[in-house]
Amino acid sequence: DADVTQTPRNRITKTGKRIMLECSQTKGHDRMYWYRQDPGLGLRLIYYSFDVKDINKGEISDGYSVSRQAQAKFSLSLESAIPNQTALYFCATSRGSDYGYTFGSGTRLTIV
Amino acid sequence: QKEVEQNSGPLSVPEGAIASLNCTYSDRGSQSFFWYRQYSGKSPELIMFIYSNGDKEDGRFTAQLNKASQYVSLLIRDSQPSDSATYLCAVRGNSGYALNFGKGTSLLVTP
Repeated sequence: DADVTQTPRNRITKTGKRIMLECSQTKGHDRMYWYRQDPGLGLRLIYYSFDVKDINKGEISDGYSVSRQAQAKFSLSLESAIPNQTALYFCATSRGSDYGYTFGSGTRLTIV
Repeated sequence: QKEVEQNSGPLSVPEGAIASLNCTYSDRGSQSFFWYRQYSGKSPELIMFIYSNGDKEDGRFTAQLNKASQYVSLLIRDSQPSDSATYLCAVRGNSGYALNFGKGTSLLVTP
């Protein structure tokens, strides 16, 4: 099984719908992150969490919310999806500030 | 916004040559530096990290860091077609809370 699992892998949904992307990890890492990747714009940070009671906004948090249900689970929600939220979404985990990330396989989200 | 800049490429090198990938960053207080490889449609994979000025070697890969010039590079020796991918430079700034990624350099190794 993958260390960092994202579901769904692909999703097509309509404008205005609420959608949740889920991330779970078996790495035992406290730090979890959500990024989106767009062609020409690279990876941009949406939200991050350093433990269950810690939630922080990244550079592009508008239109998104998150929930850290447990150390191993970090979900990203789009409350009312819009087409410019079409992107590849990655969850990542880290052991700490001196360590790199382990990424999930990504969720390709299309808003029509 | 702390910037991490990379040439988007594509950088094309023949098989067996050395590929040199470069990255500059704006946050002078940055502490740690990472190189990720990303194949098309896949997730980024960590290949190197470096914290101190100088060179760090791991197999065919060498990371080079010059904090005074705010410059980090990745050399790939004996490049193989399987090295063809996008290489992402990532920097953790002085605040330490998350990585800031460059937009990536596309590398094409031709047989």
